[in-house]
Amino acid sequence: DQQVKQNSPSLSVQEGRISILNCDYTNSMFDYFLWYKKYPAEGPTFLISISSIKDKNEDGRFTVFLNKSAKHLSLHIVPSQPGDSAVYFCAATTSNTGKLIFGQGTTLQVKP
Amino acid sequence: DTGVSQDPRHKITKRGQNVTFRCDPISEHNRLYWYRQTLGQGPEFLTYFQNEAQLEKSRLLSDRFSAERPKGSFSTLEIQRTEQGDSAMYLCASSLRALVGSNEQFFGPGTRLTVL
Repeated sequence: DQQVKQNSPSLSVQEGRISILNCDYTNSMFDYFLWYKKYPAEGPTFLISISSIKDKNEDGRFTVFLNKSAKHLSLHIVPSQPGDSAVYFCAATTSNTGKLIFGQGTTLQVKP
Repeated sequence: DTGVSQDPRHKITKRGQNVTFRCDPISEHNRLYWYRQTLGQGPEFLTYFQNEAQLEKSRLLSDRFSAERPKGSFSTLEIQRTEQGDSAMYLCASSLRALVGSNEQFFGPGTRLTVL
């Protein structure tokens, strides 16, 4: 049972444009959501997170939106840069356990 | 302290052999997690510790897998009688258990296991 799903395996955008990565979840008990970026041969790197009591969190070029009624979150990157090219994972957790449940990942390619 | 470290980075072994991986978390972090990642998938939770106590173990973890964190600092993950299906990237992460808020976990570079 895949509790966190990223339905787009890949995304390609032009440098300077917006990248939108999507994630859906099924477990209404999740109360914290995170986005990680992963380069080849490295571990995932934390990007941004959001608590279930909020619907938006912004950090520089990165904004995460949460729609609890739709059980959907998205990561917006504006403007996209070639260095953003990587695999992006969304993850969800409940605050009592701390373990992360990851989606399958979306490979973002930002073309110069 | 520059982050979470894992050793070795790569391990090639023959089926049936035992292997052990080590993880050194960020020094002030009291929680340590192990995940496994296979090609095209996101990391899957295996187990986690708060200090030296192992608080949860995934059903994915068969009896051939054991993890320890003896003094609440570094951790080891041992796989006995390895099988080809154990080939994966094994990731370690650590975090500081906060009273509220962030469950941000910091990941190490991983150990790539290949079972021949």
